[in-house]
Amino acid sequence: NAGVTQTPKFQVLKTGQSMTLQCAQDMNHNSMYWYRQDPGMGLRLIYYSASEGTTDKGEVPNGYNVSRLNKREFSLRLESAAPSQTSVYFCASSPTDENEQFFGPGTRLTVL
Amino acid sequence: AQKITQTQPGMFVQEKEAVTLDCTYDTSDPSYGLFWYKQPSSGEMIFLIYQGSYDQQNATEGRYSLNFQKARKSANLVISASQLGDSAMYFCAMREGIHHNQGGKLIFGQGTELSVKP
Repeated sequence: NAGVTQTPKFQVLKTGQSMTLQCAQDMNHNSMYWYRQDPGMGLRLIYYSASEGTTDKGEVPNGYNVSRLNKREFSLRLESAAPSQTSVYFCASSPTDENEQFFGPGTRLTVL
Repeated sequence: AQKITQTQPGMFVQEKEAVTLDCTYDTSDPSYGLFWYKQPSSGEMIFLIYQGSYDQQNATEGRYSLNFQKARKSANLVISASQLGDSAMYFCAMREGIHHNQGGKLIFGQGTELSVKP
């Protein structure tokens, strides 16, 4: 039981490049989330998926897109990376909206 | 307006002593949940404790307890008998609209860095 896994762990991009951050959970959770954490700050929600087939914007969605591929997987795409997107990205999942969220180990992204 | 406020950027505590980390929140929703997470230097987010807005008693989990004062909109984390391994960043978070199927979005505070001294 791996919990929430994220790939890659580290990534360096040049401005304008695109990439997809992958997230998968094996806990049969309905809800999944993408957060970003900037230095000295708490996590901010980018997008979330309350259940398979649905996605909604969070607090800071600009510059990102998401796909809830199936119940297990929720990916985050940067179409044209900008230095302002340098951050640590966390994926999380929860059984329902009444439960605590379980976090993946994070992806450290640097955009030059 | 800040929905979650953690006013202590950094705290020090002596090993084996208790420490309180402050958290105040702002919401008009009567149905909400409050969470505390620990983030050690390795970076992972570890769930510690949860308090629902309708819970009558303060939540406890081992050495962690949540001092929930609803009228004052505060949800302070109390760590008893601090250990060196408790040194980490601690985040308070709130989820509004519990039971309203709003997808469980968490709003985080800015965190408090706790250092435990031997």
